Amino acid sequence: EPEVTQTPSHQVTQMGQEVILRCVPISNHLYFYWYRQILGQKVEFLVSFYNNEISEKSEIFDDQFSVERPDGSNFTLKIRSTKLEDSAMYFCASKDRDRSTGELFFGEGSRLTVL
Amino acid sequence: AQSVTQLGSHVSVSEGALVLLRCNYSSSVPPYLFWYVQYPNQGLQLLLKYTSAATLVKGINGFEAEFKKSETSFHLTKPSAHMSDAAEYFCAVSDPGQAGTALIFGKGTTLSVSS
Repeated sequence: EPEVTQTPSHQVTQMGQEVILRCVPISNHLYFYWYRQILGQKVEFLVSFYNNEISEKSEIFDDQFSVERPDGSNFTLKIRSTKLEDSAMYFCASKDRDRSTGELFFGEGSRLTVL
Repeated sequence: AQSVTQLGSHVSVSEGALVLLRCNYSSSVPPYLFWYVQYPNQGLQLLLKYTSAATLVKGINGFEAEFKKSETSFHLTKPSAHMSDAAEYFCAVSDPGQAGTALIFGKGTTLSVSS
């Protein structure tokens, strides 16, 4: 069964460092998303991406964040200068073109720890 | 703006007892509604979804939910809890009129099952 894959599963970084989280969405999907879950808290929407551009973003997604689909398969989230409060689980998700389902398929997540 | 409210951050039941996890939504249009489950250290897995067809929706692992427009609710139930049902459960909403719209999640309910 097709699945969304994310790497790395866990990354530890120093405050101020750049981090890139990678995702390979399901191959025929067209809509891509990043969500964040701080430990013990709700799953928060960060950004959605369609047709090679951001279609929607939350107020969490500030100038420190960027997304890219560099090669038609990977979908990356970059945090330019990490802060302690960026420590969280980051989930990638994708959705196909079928408007009738609305279901997002999630990856297993990448845990980011900022020291 | 759409939102969901999950009443009760923590629900405890005995094995074999009825599971009831509450979700109320707020939406200016008839929404799509979802329940996702998150087992420890894992990603989000779809349990079931309501997409304007039958109001009683059956999902995986014996769970079901009923869409009640008059009550703006989409509560999740299971007649008999298993120990393996212990997890975090998230209700989510999206706008079916927007093909790529993101899911908006509730704060989650932790289900504990005791023997």
